[in-house]
Amino acid sequence: DTGVSQDPRHKITKRGQNVTFRCDPISEHNRLYWYRQTLGQGPEFLTYFQNEAQLEKSRLLSDRFSAERPKGSFSTLEIQRTEQGDSAMYLCASSLDRGDGANVLTFGAGSRLTVL
Amino acid sequence: EDQVTQSPEALRLQEGESSSLNCSYTVSGLRGLFWYRQDPGKGPEFLFTLYSAGEEKEKERLKATLTKKESFLHITAPKPEDSATYLCAVRGSGGYNKLIFGAGTRLAVHP
Repeated sequence: DTGVSQDPRHKITKRGQNVTFRCDPISEHNRLYWYRQTLGQGPEFLTYFQNEAQLEKSRLLSDRFSAERPKGSFSTLEIQRTEQGDSAMYLCASSLDRGDGANVLTFGAGSRLTVL
Repeated sequence: EDQVTQSPEALRLQEGESSSLNCSYTVSGLRGLFWYRQDPGKGPEFLFTLYSAGEEKEKERLKATLTKKESFLHITAPKPEDSATYLCAVRGSGGYNKLIFGAGTRLAVHP
C-alpha cells in the first residue's frame, strides 16, 4: 500500500483560473476528507465523503469549491475562479470505519496552491 | 463550538532537554483526542489517540496524557530528528467524524 496520493504536489495559477486536485485514498478506506492548511495554522476541515456520498461540507467551502468522489474511489477538489486567498496547502485524508470508534485519518502529502 | 488551543506556538530545546507541549480543548462529547506530527512540506503523520481522562500512550521518546480539559505531549531527551510541528486534534460527537485541529507547536531541537 502506497498510502494516500495527491496530485499535483504544487500548482501555481493566476487569479481567476480554475484548478483541480486529485486524491487517491488507501484502497480499503471508505471515508475520505479534504482539509485546507495555511502557513502557521492547523488543517481546517472542508468536506467529507462516506464512500461516494458527500455527507458534510464546511462553511469554508464557498460556491466556487466543489468536490466529488465518483464510485467511492478517488476524489477531486475543484476551485473555480481562484482568488489569492485560496493560496494554501490542500490536504486529503482517508480512514476505515471499523465501527470501533478508532477511525484514524491517514493524510497525503498535500497539494500546495499558489494564486498569483 | 469545538475548539483546540495549543501552547506554546514555538519551542526551542537543546538535545536531551525534556519538555511538554500543551493542548487545551473544548468539545461536546469527546470521541478521541489525536496527536499528529507534521514535517515541513508534508502531511500530518499520526502519533496517538486518547479517549478518556487518565489514559496515557507512549512511543519512543514521546508520551501523551489526557485530562478532561487538556492533553500533554511529553518529550523525553529529545533528539534533532524530533524537530517538527506537533498538531493536536479532537473529534466530538457532532459531525461525521471530522477532526478539529489546533494551530500546532513548532518544535526545534538543537544539537
